[in-house]
Amino acid sequence: AQSVTQLGSHVSVSEGALVLLRCNYSSSVPPYLFWYVQYPNQGLQLLLKYTSAATLVKGINGFEAEFKKSETSFHLTKPSAHMSDAAEYFCAVSANKAAGNKLTFGGGTRVLVKP
Amino acid sequence: KAGVTQTPRYLIKTRGQQVTLSCSPISGHRSVSWYQQTPGQGLQFLFEYFSETQRNKGNFPGRFSGRQFSNSRSEMNVSTLELGDSALYLCASSKMGLAGGHEQFFGPGTRLTVL
Repeated sequence: AQSVTQLGSHVSVSEGALVLLRCNYSSSVPPYLFWYVQYPNQGLQLLLKYTSAATLVKGINGFEAEFKKSETSFHLTKPSAHMSDAAEYFCAVSANKAAGNKLTFGGGTRVLVKP
Repeated sequence: KAGVTQTPRYLIKTRGQQVTLSCSPISGHRSVSWYQQTPGQGLQFLFEYFSETQRNKGNFPGRFSGRQFSNSRSEMNVSTLELGDSALYLCASSKMGLAGGHEQFFGPGTRLTVL
C-alpha cells in the first residue's frame, strides 16, 4: 500500500524567503509523484510531477522538487516566496499503471506568506 | 480548451436524502476520478471511471456510487446521506494510456453540506 507523509501542516515564511515543503512516500514499486496546489475555494492545480525521468523536476511558478529514492522523499522548494504563494500544497503518489490514475495524497501543508 | 466543470457548485441536503453530483471532463479525456476532501480525513479517492467502466474504487461504503456516460461525463451518487458526508467533492479528468502517471486536471468541486 502506498502512503504519503507531509511534515508540517502549516508553514510560515517571509516574502522573499525560501519555501521548503517536505514530502516522504512509501511505495512498493517505483512511484509517480506529484505536487498540487489548492487556492481557497478552488480545485487542485498541478505544480509538477516526477515520472522517472530527471530527478530534479521544475514546475510552474518557480517551484521545483527533487526525487531522492534513497530517502523516499520528494521535497518541494521555491527560492523566493511571493505573497501569491499563500495556499495549501499537497504531495501525491500514484504507484503504477495497475493503480490507474488513483492518487494517494498527503495531509497537505498550508503556507502563509508574511510581508 | 474548457476545463473540468462540476455542477452544482454548492448543495445543501438533510440526513437521509440522496444526492447526485455531475462532472464534465476536458474534451478528449476519457478517465474521470472522484475525490472527497474533508478537514479531518483530507483528500480521499472515491473511484475512477474509464470508458464507462469503474476501473478503481476507494474504501467507501456502498452508499457512494458513480457512473460514466459514453461522452465521458460522470455522475456520482450518495444515498442515505449522513452528517459525515459533508465535504468538498472533487472531480478530475485525465488522458488514459497503458502507463500511469498521467496528469489529472481537477474541477472546482461541489461543496456538499448535510444538515
